[in-house]
Amino acid sequence: EDKVVQSPLSLVVHEGDTVTLNCSYEVTNFRSLLWYKQEKKAPTFLFMLTSSGIEKKSGRLSSILDKKELFSILNITATQTGDSAVYLCAVHNTNAGKSTFGDGTTLTVKP
Amino acid sequence: NAGVTQTPKFRVLKTGQSMTLLCAQDMNHEYMYWYRQDPGMGLRLIHYSVGEGTTAKGEVPDGYNVSRLKKQNFLLGLESAAPSQTSVYFCASRPGQSNYGYTFGSGTRLTVV
Repeated sequence: EDKVVQSPLSLVVHEGDTVTLNCSYEVTNFRSLLWYKQEKKAPTFLFMLTSSGIEKKSGRLSSILDKKELFSILNITATQTGDSAVYLCAVHNTNAGKSTFGDGTTLTVKP
Repeated sequence: NAGVTQTPKFRVLKTGQSMTLLCAQDMNHEYMYWYRQDPGMGLRLIHYSVGEGTTAKGEVPDGYNVSRLKKQNFLLGLESAAPSQTSVYFCASRPGQSNYGYTFGSGTRLTVV
């Protein structure tokens, strides 16, 4: 059974801090690892990672994948209150055509 | 461009009642999914479909049925609702190629009393 574990479960920081969110996984037929941001409603797609060692970057957010050690990190620099959300990690099983999600990391950024 | 539309957005059911949640996408996506999300937890897959006329079970399929008679629609049915099915339900879709993340609907908050 595919498994995704995220840590920490929750995190409280102050504006301007840098945070690192972790995602480890076990999956048969790995295709990709995806990060989503969930505010009050539906998750929105952030990154898709398929290759080890290649950083994906979007503004203050960046992510990297290690396929040997089976984990990924999501970094957020110079955090803002608008970064407060649940961040979900998912791994996609190519044979099954579906993604398995972790329980998420709840990030709270205080002014 | 509507994307993925879920109806209804909210619903309260009594134990034993039945209902159908509708998911519609206008992006011509092959794959569609139903997830549930409970407080403090991630998304758990209920059922999914890799194409019109096909369905498959996910992690937590018991108590639910699905149908994909048309490519753009994916229906989730609860035949006899139970309080344990109180949750937020998300529908998602993606193209047939693997290099895409999901597009999610805005969710349906279901309460079973």
